[in-house]
Amino acid sequence: RKEVEQDPGPFNVPEGATVAFNCTYSNSASQSFFWYRQDCRKEPKLLMSVYSSGNEDGRFTAQLNRASQYISLLIRDSKLSDSATYLCVATGGGNKLTFGTGTQLKVEL
Amino acid sequence: GAVVSQHPSRVICKSGTSVKIECRSLDFQATTMFWYRQFPKQSLMLMATSNEGSKATYEQGVEKDKFLINHASLTLSTLTVTSAHPEDSSFYICSARGIRETQYFGPGTRLLVL
Repeated sequence: RKEVEQDPGPFNVPEGATVAFNCTYSNSASQSFFWYRQDCRKEPKLLMSVYSSGNEDGRFTAQLNRASQYISLLIRDSKLSDSATYLCVATGGGNKLTFGTGTQLKVEL
Repeated sequence: GAVVSQHPSRVICKSGTSVKIECRSLDFQATTMFWYRQFPKQSLMLMATSNEGSKATYEQGVEKDKFLINHASLTLSTLTVTSAHPEDSSFYICSARGIRETQYFGPGTRLLVL
């Protein structure tokens, strides 16, 4: 079983739609969680950290459920520029980052 | 925000040659840097953790004699792929750990070994 699992997608949604991504992690000792965004042939860029209380940054909302070892990302009013691969990340031992394979989002006109 | 650079951005080399990739933190000091590799349609895989002034820590399955890491200063880590072969062709990305444990990634280096 992979340490961080995501549905690879692709998720094809119309502009303005709301889309949600889910992620599960297997290491119950993981302390920190993040969502990164990766554009094609580019490096990952931090989108947001994920906190147990849930956190929001503009159109993006992240949630963490430690009991279920489950992380989510909600994107509201999606834009064409949101098209990318979204990587779910959990920290492991030594604060190493463990990446999921990513979920691909395509926002269409 | 924190900036990390990598050089070169792209390299093509013949099988058997060695390739050095540099990773620099431009506006902050990083005692710890990380080297990742990403094959097409796969996730980033951590290769090694580079610690300033000490030996790197390699992940299981990564040959330390093939992937030489040197972290000589608080702003520079280098990865040398020795005797590169076609199967080493990949996207190599470094990251530097900044404040609050956030990792900032370099733009990556595409290596193609012919």
